[in-house]
Amino acid sequence: AQSVTQPDIHITVSEGASLELRCNYSYGATPYLFWYVQSPGQGLQLLLKYFSGDTLVQGIKGFEAEFKRSQSSFNLRKPSVHWSDAAEYFCAVGDISSGSARQLTFGSGTQLTVLP
Amino acid sequence: DAEITQSPRHKITETGRQVTLACHQTWNHNNMFWYRQDLGHGLRLIHYSYGVQDTNKGEVSDGYSVSRSNTEDLPLTLESAASSQTSVYFCASSFLQGGEQFFGPGTRLTVL
Repeated sequence: AQSVTQPDIHITVSEGASLELRCNYSYGATPYLFWYVQSPGQGLQLLLKYFSGDTLVQGIKGFEAEFKRSQSSFNLRKPSVHWSDAAEYFCAVGDISSGSARQLTFGSGTQLTVLP
Repeated sequence: DAEITQSPRHKITETGRQVTLACHQTWNHNNMFWYRQDLGHGLRLIHYSYGVQDTNKGEVSDGYSVSRSNTEDLPLTLESAASSQTSVYFCASSFLQGGEQFFGPGTRLTVL
């Protein structure tokens, strides 16, 4: 069964600093990987996704993520954090191949606090 | 623009009552999902549907049911609400099974 681990429950960074949120997955084939963001009281919004091709993917709001098969990781990065980035971030893995569960599995989330 | 909506956004009910949460999407997606979100547990899948008349149990389906009579709607019913079902409920839909999901704004349910 596929699984997703987000090792950091809570991260605090200063505004303008760089950010990296970690995500590790367990899956046999090539996964379909996602990062979602959830602002307080809101639903989840897709930041970016990866299925194949270039392992560095660009998303909305200046975020990017890099797929590293050898490390089973899909870490989210942003070079300069803004106060509005404070939110909870979820990594998810899916599988669209035949015979799979064909669902998304979510990590437990990382809460990001941004200091002024 | 296509969207996914949930109603009500907030609901307070009493233990033992039947409650139905609505989910409506205009993406024309065949795949729809219900999750609950609780502190420390992330998102947990309750039920899902891959098309009209298709429903499947997820990780935490006990005490919940769904029905799919058309493409646009997947209502979630709590047959006899319990305090343990106090949570935030999210509906989602997707074009591909296992692909990206689009989420509704959520329903905050409190069971007293």
